Amino acid sequence: DAGVIQSPRHEVTEMGQEVTLRCKPISGHDYLFWYRQTMMRGLELLIYFNNNVPIDDSGMPEDRFSAKMPNASFSTLKIQPSEPRDSAVYFCASSPQGQGGEKLFFGSGTQLSVL
Amino acid sequence: QKEVEQNSGPLSVPEGAIASLNCTYSDRVSQSFFWYRQYSGKSPELIMSIYSNGDKEDGRFTAQLNKASQYVSLLIRDSQPSDSATYLCAVNKLNFGNEKLTFGTGTRLTIIP
Repeated sequence: DAGVIQSPRHEVTEMGQEVTLRCKPISGHDYLFWYRQTMMRGLELLIYFNNNVPIDDSGMPEDRFSAKMPNASFSTLKIQPSEPRDSAVYFCASSPQGQGGEKLFFGSGTQLSVL
Repeated sequence: QKEVEQNSGPLSVPEGAIASLNCTYSDRVSQSFFWYRQYSGKSPELIMSIYSNGDKEDGRFTAQLNKASQYVSLLIRDSQPSDSATYLCAVNKLNFGNEKLTFGTGTRLTIIP
């Protein structure tokens, strides 16, 4: 298996633009997670899905952020409009057994810079 | 108070010595504990997990858990330059019937040749 695949690896955009990050989880994993990592706040969970259904979106910072999972093999995280404070590394992760446990696998991340 | 706290470092350790990384957590109902290693520009990868009080050893790595004092530590014996990375502590607990995994901000470790 190729692991969790994220695209793009790097995204540079201007404030106010729409940004869409993409993720393909590991086949057979029922859980998908979106994390954001910054120096100040570390790795924070934004939202997670179980069997394509959003379970907990309490970490989504505000209405500018939205996430979808239309099928078991694809998810998107959208920021509209983007702001400079959204600059961070965004990781997607998948797991066959929830957040805990020893089978949480991360993608390579998307480095987002909002100018 | 942060749910999971780590000293951000940097922690510098001579090659061959023991590196000791510490983590404290605030919620006593936390159930399982993990250490992730993250190389610069890469994603986190799990290196150790521990679920009960005491020590758990895996090669050069030893995880230690003390639930009464609410801390978990990671010891790296015979430190190698390849151990230079940021180490993230993560704590898992049940939250309204769902698991919640919370990460610390990480400790940056540098092994000096």
